Amino acid sequence: AQSVTQLGSHVSVSEGALVLLRCNYSSSVPPYLFWYVQYPNQGLQLLLKYTSAATLVKGINGFEAEFKKSETSFHLTKPSAHMSDAAEYFCAVIANTGNQFYFGTGTSLTVIP
Amino acid sequence: NAGVTQTPKFQVLKTGQSMTLQCAQDMNHNSMYWYRQDPGMGLRLIYYSASEGTTDKGEVPNGYNVSRLNKREFSLRLESAAPSQTSVYFCASSEPLAPTTDTQYFGPGTRLTVL
Repeated sequence: AQSVTQLGSHVSVSEGALVLLRCNYSSSVPPYLFWYVQYPNQGLQLLLKYTSAATLVKGINGFEAEFKKSETSFHLTKPSAHMSDAAEYFCAVIANTGNQFYFGTGTSLTVIP
Repeated sequence: NAGVTQTPKFQVLKTGQSMTLQCAQDMNHNSMYWYRQDPGMGLRLIYYSASEGTTDKGEVPNGYNVSRLNKREFSLRLESAAPSQTSVYFCASSEPLAPTTDTQYFGPGTRLTVL
């Protein structure tokens, strides 16, 4: 079975500060991992994905995530937060033998000017 | 290329009424999905269709039915709406590669309120 846990339903950072959103996964088979962003009143957009190639994955808008098998983690980071980064972020996992995505409960990011 | 489209964008129903949410994608994807999004619960899969002609239950299928009308269209029906079905509904599509590494593309959502 696959699942993801996002630690912290709300995260606030100052503009220009480091963004760190946490995601831990559980999977009985090698996972593929995703981060999605949702802006208010919109659908989800893919930020980045890990599919067993490089463990450090770079995505859009300056975000990146590192797959750490030993820690079963896939945390999302950005060196310097922008006001436009304020949104809800979802981590998701899919088994490489399956078809269903499993989403975390989301982390709402607030950027303080 | 519109991606994934959903209709309607908003809907208010009374308890017991029925309605169908429509979803279409123009990316020639084989797989399509219906999710509901509720505060603090993330996205939960209602039904999915791995390919044309097949549908499978997800995590929360009770009270819903689906139809994969053709490769492009995947509809979600509420036969007798209940207040617990007040939610935002998202349709998504994907094209599984080998092995499955598909990215899901989401529609803009339907905001449903059941009174």
